Amino acid sequence: QLVLTQSPSASASLGASVKLTCTLRGGHSGSAIAWHQQQPEKGPRFLMKVNSDGSHDKGDGIPDRFSGSSSGAERSLTISSLQSEDEADYYCQTWGTGIRVFGGGTKLTVL
Amino acid sequence: EVQLVESGGGLVQPGGSLKLSCEASGLTFSGSAMHWVRQASGKGLEWIGRIRSKTNSYATAYGASVKGRFTISRDESKNTAYLQMNSLQTEDTAVYYCAREEDDGSGYIDYWGQGTLVTVSS
Repeated sequence: QLVLTQSPSASASLGASVKLTCTLRGGHSGSAIAWHQQQPEKGPRFLMKVNSDGSHDKGDGIPDRFSGSSSGAERSLTISSLQSEDEADYYCQTWGTGIRVFGGGTKLTVL
Repeated sequence: EVQLVESGGGLVQPGGSLKLSCEASGLTFSGSAMHWVRQASGKGLEWIGRIRSKTNSYATAYGASVKGRFTISRDESKNTAYLQMNSLQTEDTAVYYCAREEDDGSGYIDYWGQGTLVTVSS
């Protein structure tokens, strides 16, 4: 069974960096994932795809402050130079044949 | 600029039906798989289903919670995808988002709409 696990919450200070992690479970440790950002009261926005080798492909207009990495079954999103508008929910998403799966999301608070 | 614009949400009684639309612009609709994703208030994202392109025979797939009740279709001439929802239950109350995936086997959603609210209540 394809499952993605995320920590429910994270926090970091304005101007600092934060790393959010998504763990692939169910024997899918080699899969790629996508990260999506959802700011308050808005629809989600695609940030990037992160491959098992850590390479990543960003969506349109995503700043360089956002980067992706990979280690084993973990796929990470690092946001540097945190800004107030980065306070949002972050969801990872993966896929199988005829199915798409989302992680539970991480609520990022910028202090 | 890519735009996905949902419409058709509203209030419906339990057991009723509703049809949502998603009009796409700024992208190659014919080469896109179109997804529907929902989000109940204060909850996370739940994948509902998707329809592939003509090249992939308009194949559909659905999540377990809606299979047999919801149907996704598309009209290439209108660059529009649809979500027909039948036998609606109170737990179907959510914001429904349309989303797009390049239909090349990539697997990930790369554009989202702004959502439309569906409320199932008597």
